[in-house]
Amino acid sequence: ELKVEQNPLFLSMQEGKNYTIYCNYSTTSDRLYWYRQDPGKSLESLFVLLSNGAVKQEGRLMASLDTKARLSTLHITAAVHDLSATYFCAVVFYNTNAGKSTFGDGTTLTVKP
Amino acid sequence: EAGVTQFPSHSVIEKGQTVTLRCDPISGHDNLYWYRRVMGKEIKFLLHFVKESKQDESGMPNNRFLAERTGGTYSTLKVQPAELEDSGVYFCASSQGRGAYEQYFGPGTRLTVT
Repeated sequence: ELKVEQNPLFLSMQEGKNYTIYCNYSTTSDRLYWYRQDPGKSLESLFVLLSNGAVKQEGRLMASLDTKARLSTLHITAAVHDLSATYFCAVVFYNTNAGKSTFGDGTTLTVKP
Repeated sequence: EAGVTQFPSHSVIEKGQTVTLRCDPISGHDNLYWYRRVMGKEIKFLLHFVKESKQDESGMPNNRFLAERTGGTYSTLKVQPAELEDSGVYFCASSQGRGAYEQYFGPGTRLTVT
């Protein structure tokens, strides 16, 4: 059974600081997603990582994937209050019938001024 | 283009009552998924429809949960009778046809069973 472990579960940061969220998964997969969720809103897809060594960046967020270590990281640079949200990683394995997502527990990020 | 919509956004019911959640996927998406997040834990897969057929219902917790997708358009998830442990946020997602297509999520329905 595929398991996804995310840490930390809660993260309180000061504005301007850097931090990394980790996502470990137990078996090989086809894709890894990072999502952001604001309270009461949909899961917003931030990044999709497909292959070993993939790195994607958008603004202050950068995601990377190491398929050999089965590890993905979401790095936050110079955090700002607007980044406060819950972040999920999710691993997807596609078979011929389209895949289901297996999620981590989520990291609730609070950025304080 | 409209995204995935879910109704209601919140539902508060008493233990033993019945609740039906609805999901309208993005038009033209054959795949529809139900997930739920209980007690702030991980978002867990419940089941997957391809058009009107249940492709994978391995995540359904027990027979108090019944999902339907008549006509391959919107889907309903009925909980009958509801128990306290059913409280959580129920998400729906949809994606295009066969293959590695991205899933688009709805805003979720927050269910509280008292």
